[in-house]
Amino acid sequence: GQQVQQSPASLVLQEGENAELQCNFSSTATQLQWFYQSPGGSLVSLLSNPSGTKHTGRLTSTTVTKERRSSLHISSSQTTDSGTYLCAIDPMSNYNVLYFGSGTKLTVEP
Amino acid sequence: ETAVFQTPNYHVTQVGNEVSFNCKQTLGHDTMYWYKQDSKKLLKIMFSYNNKQLIVNETVPRRFSPQSSDKAHLNLRIKSVEPEDSAVYLCASSAGPSAETLYFGSGTRLTVL
Repeated sequence: GQQVQQSPASLVLQEGENAELQCNFSSTATQLQWFYQSPGGSLVSLLSNPSGTKHTGRLTSTTVTKERRSSLHISSSQTTDSGTYLCAIDPMSNYNVLYFGSGTKLTVEP
Repeated sequence: ETAVFQTPNYHVTQVGNEVSFNCKQTLGHDTMYWYKQDSKKLLKIMFSYNNKQLIVNETVPRRFSPQSSDKAHLNLRIKSVEPEDSAVYLCASSAGPSAETLYFGSGTRLTVL
């Protein structure tokens, strides 16, 4: 079965609102990363956060390893934040093989 | 700034043909990957190479064969393509096999008619 599940599948916000994205995974994750995929398809790593809380800019990720879940909080959303947010885990502790969720499609309206 | 380069951007071909996709990274990384993103946007690992050596092969059909001439290049050849091979193929690299950050190319979209 799918190792990584993300929710919600899609989210529509007004500019300035905050977004909360969830990622649940079914196996131990030695690595957990959040990626952003633009509407044009390019994929960028946002954060690596296998445990605890990490901040970068308007992004905050909190991962609770024992509960096999991670969240990505986007504060004060902007229209340029629109795109798909992907959560990925490496369950094997080697070779950096990532298993991706199906993503949350975020649309931020002006 | 782009540092993982993929060619071509798009390719349309007929069932049974052979195709080759190229990937080059200018980051000095040791590890490169091929991922497939299907029509439902789900990304799946296909291969991983570390310093020209295959280290991961995720149960990919034998018609797919990766080729690495040096650690900066990882190409993908598909012999006799099938309709289910239609997808976006994404190349990525990382500093090493356990490095935290992956850098992705912009992808090659394959359409098999």
